[in-house]
Amino acid sequence: AQKITQTQPGMFVQEKEAVTLDCTYDTSDPSYGLFWYKQPSSGEMIFLIYQGSYDQQNATEGRYSLNFQKARKSANLVISASQLGDSAMYFCAMRFDTGRRALTFGSGTRLQVQP
Amino acid sequence: NAGVTQTPKFRVLKTGQSMTLLCAQDMNHEYMYWYRQDPGMGLRLIHYSVGEGTTAKGEVPDGYNVSRLKKQNFLLGLESAAPSQTSVYFCASSTHRTVNYGYTFGSGTRLTVV
Repeated sequence: AQKITQTQPGMFVQEKEAVTLDCTYDTSDPSYGLFWYKQPSSGEMIFLIYQGSYDQQNATEGRYSLNFQKARKSANLVISASQLGDSAMYFCAMRFDTGRRALTFGSGTRLQVQP
Repeated sequence: NAGVTQTPKFRVLKTGQSMTLLCAQDMNHEYMYWYRQDPGMGLRLIHYSVGEGTTAKGEVPDGYNVSRLKKQNFLLGLESAAPSQTSVYFCASSTHRTVNYGYTFGSGTRLTVV
């Protein structure tokens, strides 16, 4: 079965520090994509970063980087220099390149950035 | 701005009533999806479509029907609403033409069934 697991329901981080949000996945497909989304209290889904299963380098987008460890089936999100505006729910999601191509989401991690 | 538009944004229904949620995208995306999000949870796939005139069931399809008569529109119907369908509903679309598939989400519809 294809599954996404986020084991941290909530996280706290001090402003300006880095934080890592965990994500593990389970699939036997060789081709897939991994995504991270941010959902602030306003409710919209904001795309942060994408990693393809065949990408050799870890993806980076500004303060966001994805620590992709294929053998361990993990895709952790690293946020550097946390800001108060980073307080939100964060979802890891996966897309399988066969079948329905819909995103499958984890249960999310609520991040709170403290001043 | 290009994107995914959902209507309505809020709705309160009585148990047993019916309604249709409309999703429209102007990006010429091939794939469209309906998700529901319950409090404190991730999004779960209700139904999806890989092209005009096609639909398929997702993880939680019971109590919902969908139609995609035009490529840009994806309708989600509740024939007889139940309190268990109280949720926030998100529509999304994507394409195979970009590396990261261009997933775009609507702003959501908050539905309460009383």
